[in-house]
Amino acid sequence: DQQVKQNSPSLSVQEGRISILNCDYTNSMFDYFLWYKKYPAEGPTFLISISSIKDKNEDGRFTVFLNKSAKHLSLHIVPSQPGDSAVYFCAATSNTGNQFYFGTGTSLTVIP
Amino acid sequence: GAGVSQSPSNKVTEKGKDVELRCDPISGHTALYWYRQSLGQGLEFLIYFQGNSAPDKSGLPSDRFSAERTGGSVSTLTIQRTQQEDSAVYLCASSLARLSSGNTIYFGEGSWLTVV
Repeated sequence: DQQVKQNSPSLSVQEGRISILNCDYTNSMFDYFLWYKKYPAEGPTFLISISSIKDKNEDGRFTVFLNKSAKHLSLHIVPSQPGDSAVYFCAATSNTGNQFYFGTGTSLTVIP
Repeated sequence: GAGVSQSPSNKVTEKGKDVELRCDPISGHTALYWYRQSLGQGLEFLIYFQGNSAPDKSGLPSDRFSAERTGGSVSTLTIQRTQQEDSAVYLCASSLARLSSGNTIYFGEGSWLTVV
């Protein structure tokens, strides 16, 4: 049972434009969410996180939005750069659990 | 070390053989996780160690899989009688404490296992 879903397996955007990656979850107990970025042949690297007490967290070009009522979060990258081309995973956890639940990832291609 | 270290980085093994994958977490990190990613799939939780507590083994897919963590540091994931469906990248991660406290987990570069 996939508790965290990324319904878009791939996304292409032009350099300089906004990239929006979406993630949905089913477990209302999740209270902490993270985005990871993964290049080929490397492990995932942490990008940005958000706690359920917030609805937005910003770090430079990256902003994560959380809509708890819709059980939806999104990652905005603006402006997008070719180096942002990677697979992006969203993940969620709860304070009663031990594990991260990961989505299946969205492969972002930023076209120069 | 500076980051999570995993070995081997690549392993090709024959079906039916046993394999051991090693993870050396970031120094001082009490929490250690094993995940795997099969081709075209997301990251699948396998097992979680936290300090001296009993590990959460709820994600291990079968009794052919086992893991241990010696001295609260290095961990070994063992797969016995490997099958072709075990082919995946096995990712180890560590963190200072449980995720709910807001700490980030840091991943190693993975061990790529191919069972032929």
